[in-house]
Amino acid sequence: EVQLVESGGGLIQPGGSLRLSCAASGFTVSSNYMSWVRQAPGKGLEWVSVIYSGGSTYYADSVKGRFTISRDNSKNTLYLQMNSLRAEDTAVYYCARFDDSSGYTDYWGQGTLVTVSS
Amino acid sequence: SYVLTQPPSVSVAPGQTARITCGGNNIGSKSVHWYQQKPGQAPVLVVYDDSDRPSGIPERFSGSNSGNTATLTISRVEAGDEADYYCQVWDSSSDHQVVFGGGTKLTVL
Repeated sequence: EVQLVESGGGLIQPGGSLRLSCAASGFTVSSNYMSWVRQAPGKGLEWVSVIYSGGSTYYADSVKGRFTISRDNSKNTLYLQMNSLRAEDTAVYYCARFDDSSGYTDYWGQGTLVTVSS
Repeated sequence: SYVLTQPPSVSVAPGQTARITCGGNNIGSKSVHWYQQKPGQAPVLVVYDDSDRPSGIPERFSGSNSGNTATLTISRVEAGDEADYYCQVWDSSSDHQVVFGGGTKLTVL
């Protein structure tokens, strides 16, 4: 059974850093495309970043230069390093498996809440 | 960047048909995917590649895509279908961006 479990969310001050983790089971992270999607309170879904199986990474303009997506193949875990956090980064962050042929997300984690506030 | 436009809300009576649109420039040339999200839950894929259904999704959910509009159709709407629905596309050729529509709240009257 495919499972994605996020962790690492919490309350952080503006300008701070946080690293989110997403532990996967039932499939191999490094053989798949993986993405992060966020949802601000009461708002819609916003794509954040994707890492391809070959290692290429891409980001939404809103986080480019501040966030870094990576993976640890030995731990079968996906990460999102978030630096220079802003109030507008406050959201539930979802880890997701991303189809590499047409780009749909077939599995989602339960999400982890990041709150950026002083 | 590419923009997907959805109506904020759609209302339908139980047993009727709901149609949720997703507009985008020449969206008919892209693969469109649809997600259902209920309050407090992660999104669930209900239609992918314009009109395919994942296993476990009822046949009442269908999709189409042509020209500048993609449509999610929910037949014989049930109270349990009340949720937010999002369309999504992926630009795999140029900037590799993933784009979501703004979402549509489906209300079952």
